[in-house]
Amino acid sequence: SQTIHQWPATLVQPVGSPLSLECTVEGTSNPNLYWYRQAAGRGLQLLFYSVGIGQISSEVPQNLSASRPQDRQFILSSKKLLLSDSGFYLCAWGLSRIDTQYFGPGTRLTVL
Amino acid sequence: QKEVEQDPGPLSVPEGAIVSLNCTYSNSAFQYFMWYRQYSRKGPELLMYTYSSGNKEDGRFTAQVDKSSKYISLFIRDSQPSDSATYLCAMSRYGGSQGNLIFGKGTKLSVKP
Repeated sequence: SQTIHQWPATLVQPVGSPLSLECTVEGTSNPNLYWYRQAAGRGLQLLFYSVGIGQISSEVPQNLSASRPQDRQFILSSKKLLLSDSGFYLCAWGLSRIDTQYFGPGTRLTVL
Repeated sequence: QKEVEQDPGPLSVPEGAIVSLNCTYSNSAFQYFMWYRQYSRKGPELLMYTYSSGNKEDGRFTAQVDKSSKYISLFIRDSQPSDSATYLCAMSRYGGSQGNLIFGKGTKLSVKP
C-alpha cells in the first residue's frame, strides 16, 4: 500500500530564515505530487503541483518554491520566510486521471 | 459567488444522532465529488469519492450528489465521539489528480457522548 511522509512535523522559524520541507511517497511510481497550505479560516490553498521529475506548476506567486529531484520526493523551499508563511503545509499525491488526492500528515510552520 | 460553499459550523450533536453535512457549488462542469475528514492537527483523510449524481454508502457514511441542484451531502448515521472532526468537501472536473481540486472550507463537527 502507498504511504506518504512529511517532515518535520512542526517547525518554528524566525522571519527571514530559509525553509525546506520534505515529502516522500512510498509504494507507487510516477505519482502526481502537490503542496497545499491550510491557514485558519482560509481553507486549503494549492501552492504547487508536479506531474514528473523536474516538472513543477505554481498556482500562487509568492516567496516559496518547489522542486522534485526524484520521482517520489517533493520539496518546498523558501530563501526568506515571511510572517504570512505561517500555516499548516500539506503534501498530497494522486495517480490516474480519475483518481483523487491523498494527503500526508502535514507540517505546522510558525514564523516568528 | 464562490465556487464551493460550505457552512463552517461548528455543528454539535449528541452521540447516536444522524449528521448531515452539505456543500453547494456553482460550476456545473464538476463531475467528481469527495469528502475528507480532518482531525485536529492532522492531514485530511479521504472518506468518500463519487462520480456524477447518485448515492454511495460505506458503513455509517452515505454520500449524496444532486447535480441538478449543485448540492452534495454527507450523512453520518449513529454518530460517535470519534467522528468529531472537520469535514471538507472537494470537487473537480477531472478527478482530482490534475491539480484542480476545489475544496470547501470545512465544517467542524463535535459529537458529544
